[in-house]
Amino acid sequence: NAGVTQTPKFQVLKTGQSMTLQCAQDMNHNSMYWYRQDPGMGLRLIYYSASEGTTDKGEVPNGYNVSRLNKREFSLRLESAAPSQTSVYFCASSERGTSGGQTQYFGPGTRLLVL
Amino acid sequence: ILNVEQSPQSLHVQEGDSTNFTCSFPSSNFYALHWYRWETAKSPEALFVMTLNGDEKKKGRISATLNTKEGYSYLYIKGSQPEDSATYLCAYVYSASKIIFGSGTRLSIRP
Repeated sequence: NAGVTQTPKFQVLKTGQSMTLQCAQDMNHNSMYWYRQDPGMGLRLIYYSASEGTTDKGEVPNGYNVSRLNKREFSLRLESAAPSQTSVYFCASSERGTSGGQTQYFGPGTRLLVL
Repeated sequence: ILNVEQSPQSLHVQEGDSTNFTCSFPSSNFYALHWYRWETAKSPEALFVMTLNGDEKKKGRISATLNTKEGYSYLYIKGSQPEDSATYLCAYVYSASKIIFGSGTRLSIRP
């Protein structure tokens, strides 16, 4: 059981480049989340997917798009990277949505640097 | 704007001492309150999820209480050990899958 996996672990981009961060979970969870973590700030929700086939905006969605490819995979895309998107990105999953008292399981993170 | 405050931001405690810290959140539209433990270079790991006013949860030397009416939760660590050094995050859930994290309390245990 790998839990939640993320690729890549580290990426350097130039301003304006695009890339997709990949996330997969093998726990048969319905809900998946993308967060960013910046120094001095808590984890901020970018997008979430309550179940396969649905996605919704979180607190900081601008500049990002997501795809819930299937139940296992939830990708985050930066169409035109900006230096303000330099951050550590975490993917998480839970059996159901967080309102039901479900804990989230986090991936190892992707460190992104945009020059 | 919804805000989740954690205090203190950082804490240095002697090994063997007990400690506690606070998470403050809006008292309206409450669904759940999560606590996570986050060690450096690792991923956050769930400690507790609390959903009812007055909830008390315990895992070994760590326990938590919840007051949804006044909007706060306390995390207690009894007899701190070096392996307790980590950042402790709380997260306030205010609707299905709407969650806001605090910025954490960074705990360091001095041997």
